Order: sequence, then C-alpha cells, then structure tokens
Amino acid sequence: AQKVTQAQTEISVVEKEDVTLDCVYETRDTTYYLFWYKQPPSGELVFLIRRNSFDEQNEISGRYSWNFQKSTSSFNFTITASQVVDSAVYFCALSGFAGGTSYGKLTFGQGTILTVHP
Amino acid sequence: ETGVTQSPTHLIKTRGQQVTLRCSSQSGHNTVSWYQQALGQGPQFIFQYYREEENGRGNFPPRFSGLQFPNYSSELNVNALELDDSALYLCATRGSGGANEQFFGPGTRLTVL
Repeated sequence: AQKVTQAQTEISVVEKEDVTLDCVYETRDTTYYLFWYKQPPSGELVFLIRRNSFDEQNEISGRYSWNFQKSTSSFNFTITASQVVDSAVYFCALSGFAGGTSYGKLTFGQGTILTVHP
Repeated sequence: ETGVTQSPTHLIKTRGQQVTLRCSSQSGHNTVSWYQQALGQGPQFIFQYYREEENGRGNFPPRFSGLQFPNYSSELNVNALELDDSALYLCATRGSGGANEQFFGPGTRLTVL
C-alpha cells in the first residue's frame, strides 16, 4: 500500500520568509512518481511538479525548489521569499510508474495549509 | 486553465437520493480518474476509466459507479447517498503516454442533508 504523510497541518509565515513543506512517503514500488499540487480557495488542484523516483536531482523553478531524498523517502518543497498569493493548501502525492498496478492512481497526503501574512 | 470542466459546481441532495456528476476533458485525454475530497482532507482515489472501461478502483463501495464516453466526457454516479458523501468531487484526465501528468477540474461540491 502507498502512503503519504504531511506532518505539518498548518504553517503561518510573514511575507518574504522562506518556508519548507515536508512530505514523507511509503511505497513498495521500486519506481514511482512524486507530485506537489497547490489548491487555492477556488478548489482546483494546480500541478506544480512531477519527479521520477530515479531522478534525485533537486529542482528549482523560480521561488520554488524541491528536495528529493530517496534514502529518507522524503520530497520536501521550499518556497523562497513567500508572497501572500502563495497562501493555499499544498498537497504531496505519489503514484506508481507506467505498467504498475498503481499507475495513474494518486495517493495524496493530508495537505498543509500555508498562510502568508503581509 | 486545464481544459477540464465539471458540472454542476454545487449540488445539494438528501440522504438516500442518487446523484450524477459530470466531467469533460480535452480531446485525446483517454483516461479519467475521480477523487473524493472531504473537508480538511486530501483527495481520495475513487476509480479510473480508460477507453470506457473501469481500470482501477479505490476503497469505495459499489454504489459509486462511473461511465466514460467516446467524446472524452465522463460521469460519476452515487446511489443511496449518505451524509458522509458530502465532499468535493474532482475529476482528473490525462492522455496516453508515460508522463502521467493529470489535469484536474475545478470540482463539484456535493452536500448531502
């Protein structure tokens, strides 16, 4: 069975602070995908990143960066110089790789509510 | 904009009734998945359809059923509604290929009274 744990239920920061959202996962698959989604109040899930399990390079996209460590089964997300518009619920998710039984099925964590104050 | 639309936006039903939710995706997106998101929780996988056949199911009872049509639209049907079925229902679509990127619709908020 697959499981994703986001231990931080809520995080509150002041604008321009850096913030890291933690994600720990469990899976028996040897290859898998990891994702981060953003859910603003409107409810639509916005795709942020997909990472293959065999690619452990960290990734940076503007103010966003992701740290994938297979040894600790973690896929953490950092927002640098946070802005009020970053306020949302953030979900980490896991799915199997192509050809596996859990391919296409996303297992989500509970989500972290991020509030950025001006 | 993901190109995925869902209808209706909001819906109120009473316990025991039946409901049909609809999802329309981009041309070429032949896989659709449905998720249930209770308040304060992460989305839970209900089932997935590929080329009009169910292709994977989560821990949901048979009263949750679906259909996928050749025009890339799909339906989620829930019979004998229960209070705990109150949630945001999200559909996600993706095309063929190994990228596995899913595009989510805005969701339907179902309230069961």
